[in-house]
Amino acid sequence: DTEVTQTPKHLVMGMTNKKSLKCEQHMGHRAMYWYKQKAKKPPELMFVYSYEKLSINESVPSRFSPECPNSSLLNLHLHALQPEDSALYLCASSQEINQETQYFGPGTRLLVL
Amino acid sequence: AQSVAQPEDQVNVAEGNPLTVKCTYSVSGNPYLFWYVQYPNRGLQFLLKYITGDNLVKGSYGFEAEFNKSQTSFHLKKPSALVSDSALYFCAGEGHRNNRLAFGKGNQVVVIP
Repeated sequence: DTEVTQTPKHLVMGMTNKKSLKCEQHMGHRAMYWYKQKAKKPPELMFVYSYEKLSINESVPSRFSPECPNSSLLNLHLHALQPEDSALYLCASSQEINQETQYFGPGTRLLVL
Repeated sequence: AQSVAQPEDQVNVAEGNPLTVKCTYSVSGNPYLFWYVQYPNRGLQFLLKYITGDNLVKGSYGFEAEFNKSQTSFHLKKPSALVSDSALYFCAGEGHRNNRLAFGKGNQVVVIP
């Protein structure tokens, strides 16, 4: 089983809203990732968690706040987003952080109005 | 620094003909190389990877890729393309202890019936 699940599938929010994206995997993977993807472009890395600790933050604005409550769950808290933050947000997981296959979830399509 | 290049924007191929999607890499040390496919409004789906060993790697759905160290290439191939292979294909690479995947820009593959 190489399934990563993400909820919700679609999200529309205003610039003053607070919302959260959720990601879950039950493969026993110890590394989890958030990516942002614009249409027809490659994914852009946002955050990496390794063993439930934040390992990489790619200079992401503070309006995006990641959280890893346990080894199976990854959240992305959103607050005061801008219209240019509209994108597909992808979660991925891998066995370890280095040179391992990353398995991606289906993504959350976010629209900021 | 590490980088992956996919020189073409779009690859058009007739159904039943061989499909090739090109990728070159610049990765430190022994590279780990991956191919992913993305269907519309979906996450990235893992196809195959090269770590070490045989230069010809076989993956899902009849795809294979050939690692060529002298040309720093990792082209994806399929002997006979299907209309259902029409999708966006990403090559990705990671060097030793970089902890980040470098993605190519992506190639849109269109298989013409």
